[in-house]
Amino acid sequence: QKEVEQNSGPLSVPEGAIASLNCTYSDRGSQSFFWYRQYSGKSPELIMFIYSNGDKEDGRFTAQLNKASQYVSLLIRDSQPSDSATYLCAVNMEDFGNEKLTFGTGTRLTIIP
Amino acid sequence: DTAVSQTPKYLVTQMGNDKSIKCEQNLGHDTMYWYKQDSKKFLKIMFSYNNKELIINETVPNRFSPKSPDKAHLNLHINSLELGDSAVYFCASSQGTVNNEKLFFGSGTQLSVL
Repeated sequence: QKEVEQNSGPLSVPEGAIASLNCTYSDRGSQSFFWYRQYSGKSPELIMFIYSNGDKEDGRFTAQLNKASQYVSLLIRDSQPSDSATYLCAVNMEDFGNEKLTFGTGTRLTIIP
Repeated sequence: DTAVSQTPKYLVTQMGNDKSIKCEQNLGHDTMYWYKQDSKKFLKIMFSYNNKELIINETVPNRFSPKSPDKAHLNLHINSLELGDSAVYFCASSQGTVNNEKLFFGSGTQLSVL
């Protein structure tokens, strides 16, 4: 069973600090990695994607990918209360010739004012 | 205009009933999906259609039957509902079939089976 694993949390971070969210995946052949944010009662929305090893920055968000370690992370700098949500890691995996997006169970992040 | 719209938003029904959830996207995307999110927030793909053709069919009971009359619509019919079917069902769409593209999600349908 190809899997994506995340620490479910909750992860509590003071306002203004850096929030660090981690994700590991089982399929060595995966090429595309995504972070979705889901507010309570709402649908997931894409906030970052990364395809190459290393860091990718977008505003306060930085995605980090290490394919050798099968590890992807999301850093949120200068955390704001509005960042409080569940963050879903998603990995593109091949399954019997079809590519599909496999989600982790999500990490619930709370930013404490 | 809502990009991906699904109805109803809430569905409360008795065990054994049959129900349908409708989904429409106005983004011109070729691929549509149904995902199920359980109470622990685990989001799992159920089906994927590309231009009305079924391309992903996960291990889902055959009580669940998707139907895509055209590439802008993907409906989900569920027969003989069971307690374990209670979850939030999300419709989604993307431009292509390869999942290196952004998924656009509908607002979800909260299904409660009593």
